[in-house]
Amino acid sequence: GQNIDQPTEMTATEGAIVQINCTYQTSGFNGLFWYQQHAGEAPTFLSYNVLDGLEEKGRFSSFLSRSKGYSYLLLKELQMKDSASYLCAVSDSNYQLIWGAGTKLIIKP
Amino acid sequence: NAGVTQTPKFRVLKTGQSMTLLCAQDMNHEYMYWYRQDPGMGLRLIHYSVGEGTTAKGEVPDGYNVSRLKKQNFLLGLESAAPSQTSVYFCASRTDRESQPQHFGDGTRLSIL
Repeated sequence: GQNIDQPTEMTATEGAIVQINCTYQTSGFNGLFWYQQHAGEAPTFLSYNVLDGLEEKGRFSSFLSRSKGYSYLLLKELQMKDSASYLCAVSDSNYQLIWGAGTKLIIKP
Repeated sequence: NAGVTQTPKFRVLKTGQSMTLLCAQDMNHEYMYWYRQDPGMGLRLIHYSVGEGTTAKGEVPDGYNVSRLKKQNFLLGLESAAPSQTSVYFCASRTDRESQPQHFGDGTRLSIL
């Protein structure tokens, strides 16, 4: 079967750094997406990785290791507005997205 | 530029009633999707469309029907609502390039009593 695993919840302090992990087992791999979803709102796109390595976008970076079936999202200089759920999704052999249940990130002052 | 618009935003139905959820996108996207999101679970694909006049089943299609008569619109129908269909429904669209992200509407919160 296809499976995406993420921690259910994480807590971090404003101004700190947090790493959210995602491991996957899917039928085929055509890229991995990270989305942010604030409570009661729509998911919004953060990053896309298809090759191994680190992609950096401002305070957010995403890493991929295809051989390990592993990705992480790194958030630096945390702000209160970063409190949200972070969703990992893998594009499978049919280019359909398989979604993790999301990681709820709580930022404390 | 509105992006992806879903109507209605909220709805309460009684078991056995029917309704249609409307999704409209103004980005000229080929692909459109309907998902449901339930607590503790990832987004699950109900149906999708790869172009005007086409539809296909996703992971959880039972109890739902869809139509894509116009490129910009994707309708999701519940013929006979059941309490198990209480959920938040999201519509999404993307271009025909697989590396491009899906863009989501604000969701429809549906309760079936």
